[in-house]
Amino acid sequence: ETGVTQTPRHLVMGMTNKKSLKCEQHLGHNAMYWYKQSAKKPLELMFVYNFKEQTENNSVPSRFSPECPNSSHLFLHLHTLQPEDSALYLCASSQAGTGGGNTIYFGEGSWLTVV
Amino acid sequence: AQSVTQLGSHVSVSEGALVLLRCNYSSSVPPYLFWYVQYPNQGLQLLLKYTSAATLVKGINGFEAEFKKSETSFHLTKPSAHMSDAAEYFCAVSDRRDTGRRALTFGSGTRLQVQP
Repeated sequence: ETGVTQTPRHLVMGMTNKKSLKCEQHLGHNAMYWYKQSAKKPLELMFVYNFKEQTENNSVPSRFSPECPNSSHLFLHLHTLQPEDSALYLCASSQAGTGGGNTIYFGEGSWLTVV
Repeated sequence: AQSVTQLGSHVSVSEGALVLLRCNYSSSVPPYLFWYVQYPNQGLQLLLKYTSAATLVKGINGFEAEFKKSETSFHLTKPSAHMSDAAEYFCAVSDRRDTGRRALTFGSGTRLQVQP
């Protein structure tokens, strides 16, 4: 079993649909992240959760709604998305401690296509 | 804000040749630096990281990187490329002064092609 598991791996949704991406980490970490990876663009940090509290939201549109019910699970709720939101969404986790330099571990990603 | 620049979005080498992927950071204080690799249809995997111990860092799969403060660089090298090294490589940075922020900032990536 991999350390960070994402489901579904592939998702196709219409612009009026509501769907969710799920992430679970089995590493005992206390920080979780959502990143967006689009073609020809750098990885974009979307959200950061430390100990279930959202500590960062990088101006992400409200059509993306994260949820972190506990330190092992992270969701990304999607509604009324646009075609330009099609991308690979990567979940990651790390052990937040003092001093930084903590390795972030990634899941394999969820490929989202908005039609 | 911390940032990294990866020179060259595509690098092509012959099998057995030296691999050199470039990364420069922008910061007056040396940050934490990372190299990740992404194989097709997979997430990112850590190759190696620099956290201020040795300036020459050895990673997995025969890769290594050298932190050079005078050049604000952290270039990734491998003496002899293998076909299985074909992937996208990302340099990333986190600010050692900001202990409250855990996330990494990534470069735009370099796609490595290995020719037979």
